[in-house]
Amino acid sequence: QSVLTQPPSVSAAPGQKVTISCSGSSSNIGNNYVSWYQQLPGTAPKVLIYDNNKRPSGIPDRFSGSKSGTSATLGITGLQTGDEADYYCGTWDSSLSVVIFGGGTKLTVL
Amino acid sequence: QVQLVESGGGVVQPGRSLRLSCAASGFIFSSYGMHWVRQAPGKGLEWVAIIWYDGSEEYYADSVKGRFTISRDNSKNTLYLQMNSLRVEDTAVYYCARVGGNVVYFDYWGQGTLVTVSS
Repeated sequence: QSVLTQPPSVSAAPGQKVTISCSGSSSNIGNNYVSWYQQLPGTAPKVLIYDNNKRPSGIPDRFSGSKSGTSATLGITGLQTGDEADYYCGTWDSSLSVVIFGGGTKLTVL
Repeated sequence: QVQLVESGGGVVQPGRSLRLSCAASGFIFSSYGMHWVRQAPGKGLEWVAIIWYDGSEEYYADSVKGRFTISRDNSKNTLYLQMNSLRVEDTAVYYCARVGGNVVYFDYWGQGTLVTVSS
């Protein structure tokens, strides 16, 4: 069981919008930056969002991140079939002095 | 371009040791912290360890503390993970990743190397 809680799966139709939540506590999300990673089948993860809401160069603005209190959210608009992947949130836990990931959310684009 | 290439994976018996390497190129290796992250078959990501850019600090997941050691040789642009007393539950693809800014910003990842612990 992960310290960060994500829904196991989400789904939506092509062109629609989806959000993925990541719930933690004051020792992790509440006081540290959050990053989001996309893992396509059979590949290494790739960063989509860092520092809660920043996109690296090359990541389209269809992907967005936000944080409020002890929760963070990844938003994806204009869904494409190529967005089908596993998505993970990650942050630092100040009490444990470790990096923690959420359990992952499988996105299905119907 | 930034490249991270892991090697050293394979099949090993429980209780034995293995050393993974991650060869870095395309950036000033000695300026960046580095992580190891693993993923068991069909499971999610599990962070393993981090080492500061100069090797001055290291942190480990509880699941590997006391058994695994992260290290680096900045003269060889190489990151290592020494894994001792391996257990069946250590079976996973092991990725090295670069610290992009804050410690949870993994901006570049290697392709991974598979470690299988089995008798």
